[in-house]
Amino acid sequence: AQSVTQLDSHVSVSEGTPVLLRCNYSSSYSPSLFWYVQHPNKGLQLLLKYTSAATLVKGINGFEAEFKKSETSFHLTKPSAHMSDAAEYFCVVSDWTGGGADGLTFGKGTHLIIQP
Amino acid sequence: DTGVSQDPRHKITKRGQNVTFRCDPISEHNRLYWYRQTLGQGPEFLTYFQNEAQLEKSRLLSDRFSAERPKGSFSTLEIQRTEQGDSAMYLCASSFRLAAPYEQYFGPGTRLTVT
Repeated sequence: AQSVTQLDSHVSVSEGTPVLLRCNYSSSYSPSLFWYVQHPNKGLQLLLKYTSAATLVKGINGFEAEFKKSETSFHLTKPSAHMSDAAEYFCVVSDWTGGGADGLTFGKGTHLIIQP
Repeated sequence: DTGVSQDPRHKITKRGQNVTFRCDPISEHNRLYWYRQTLGQGPEFLTYFQNEAQLEKSRLLSDRFSAERPKGSFSTLEIQRTEQGDSAMYLCASSFRLAAPYEQYFGPGTRLTVT
């Protein structure tokens, strides 16, 4: 079984400062990992994905995430926060086994607040 | 690429009524997924189709929930005898099975309110 734990329900940072959103996962297989963002009244948008290639993954809008197997973590970072980054962020795991259900398993989300 | 669309965007219904939601995936995508998202939670996987075949439905919340994708294009999700606990956002996503991982593209969702 797969699961995701987002360690912070809310994160507040000042504009221009770094962002760190923490995620730990549990998976029986080699997982695929994603970060999605959800702005109010908008659909979920894929920020980045890990696919067992490079452990440091670059995404859109300056976001990055690093896969650390030993720590079972996939934390999301951005060097400098922008007001437009304020949104809900979801860490997501998918166990691709070549068969069976491959629905995504979402964490509970982290609400990112950007202070002016 | 016009994205995944869902209709309606909002639905208000009385307890006990049946409701049906529609999802139109990205045209070349052969996989379609349904999720439910309640307030303050991440989306919860319900079911998925590859073309017209429903390959996973054990996660549907009860036998009041059913989904179809009759021609492998659009899909419908029906909830019979709605209950107040069914109030949530229902999300649809699609993907193209070419290779893992199956990157999923989400629609804007249908917000259901049961009164």
